[in-house]
Amino acid sequence: KAGVTQTPRYLIKTRGQQVTLSCSPISGHRSVSWYQQTPGQGLQFLFEYFSETQRNKGNFPGRFSGRQFSNSRSEMNVSTLELGDSALYLCASSSQGTETQYFGPGTRLLVL
Amino acid sequence: DQQVKQNSPSLSVQEGRISILNCDYTNSMFDYFLWYKKYPAEGPTFLISISSIKDKNEDGRFTVFLNKSAKHLSLHIVPSQPGDSAVYFCAATATGTSYGKLTFGQGTILTVHP
Repeated sequence: KAGVTQTPRYLIKTRGQQVTLSCSPISGHRSVSWYQQTPGQGLQFLFEYFSETQRNKGNFPGRFSGRQFSNSRSEMNVSTLELGDSALYLCASSSQGTETQYFGPGTRLLVL
Repeated sequence: DQQVKQNSPSLSVQEGRISILNCDYTNSMFDYFLWYKKYPAEGPTFLISISSIKDKNEDGRFTVFLNKSAKHLSLHIVPSQPGDSAVYFCAATATGTSYGKLTFGQGTILTVHP
């Protein structure tokens, strides 16, 4: 099986812009979680989608949003980018009934 | 409030010896624990997990031990190899209620010297 894929791998944006990141889970996995990794805060949970529904959300401002499509692919959007949004954004997928998550390679976002 | 803590930022070990990475947690609801290995600019790779109904789980060179009363888990790597050099994260979740949320420790940088 192919692993979790994320596009793009690298992105440079300027403050105030918005960005959309994409994630394709492992085939058959219906749960997709998103995380932000920064040197200061470590790996922080953003939100989780299952069958196109957001089931859980972390402590991030409303500028961070996401969605999931019927094929389980997911996107996350960050609006009005701030310098502090520079981070590695990771998505992970898991199969129903299990807690083990498998991560993609991440999208490195740099906000200038 | 950091619910999962890895108190050792780094660990240096000689090739062939045992590496022991430690992790503590505070949330009593956590009942499933995982270890991930991560290289720079890559996503974490799942290594091994353990449910709270067990106190030990082995997979090849990797063994995870869970001490529920102490809220402590450890990852043993035997024998350690230079390719094991990476950042190791422990993570925890509450099955059935966390809905896709893993809570991670801050990571431990493991360096295995040839």
